[in-house]
Amino acid sequence: QTALTQPASVSGSPGQSITISCVGTSSDIGSYNAVSWYKQNPDQAPRLIIYDVYSRPSGVSNRFSGSKSGNTASLTISGLQAEDEADYYCCSHRSGGTVVFGGGTKVTVL
Amino acid sequence: EVTLVESGGGLVKPGESLRLSCAASGFDFKTYSMNWVRQAPGEGLEWVSSIGSSGKYIYYADSVKGRFTISRDNAKNLLYLQMSSVRVEDTALYYCARDFEGSINSQVGAIDIWGQGTMITVSS
Repeated sequence: QTALTQPASVSGSPGQSITISCVGTSSDIGSYNAVSWYKQNPDQAPRLIIYDVYSRPSGVSNRFSGSKSGNTASLTISGLQAEDEADYYCCSHRSGGTVVFGGGTKVTVL
Repeated sequence: EVTLVESGGGLVKPGESLRLSCAASGFDFKTYSMNWVRQAPGEGLEWVSSIGSSGKYIYYADSVKGRFTISRDNAKNLLYLQMSSVRVEDTALYYCARDFEGSINSQVGAIDIWGQGTMITVSS
């Protein structure tokens, strides 16, 4: 089950905006508006920050935004802060009822 | 407080079996789809399996299909993962995780509550 493709690392300075891409196929991202994004701090469980491509759960900062074009989903973090430093994972529903995660992206705040 | 507590982890030999359990509390367990997600040491997240609220709809990752079985007991608020013919590559922290009810669809990977995980190490 091939994972979604994410860059291994992305970095930015405080206050900047960064975008993490998540490349899938026509069997997952391209066919379903069921993309989620997770933030994971070291030694902690993941936290849902985006669901259904664009939506934010209650309590998640509006500095996080999601989008999708074709087979690629993206997570944008605006006004980068030190607390945003973490691993980020995309996730999508895939045909056949399964779910697939991306390999993860380490975000570094310079 | 909404909590998920996994148990059953440990050291097992290749080819052996074991069962993970997840005790849910603080929410109406029987109305939520549930998932197992694992994370190998130093690696990324891997979805393992999901089960619908009634237990009718069940899905597995290709990597575990035919070896793992997900089930639930809604009367006891328990989720299970029966693991058979385990392999070295099954070594990971296994999370029990609840579907996010705010998503338009269920069992699509939107997960809002995670347990602390239980570690499985497969080694001879």
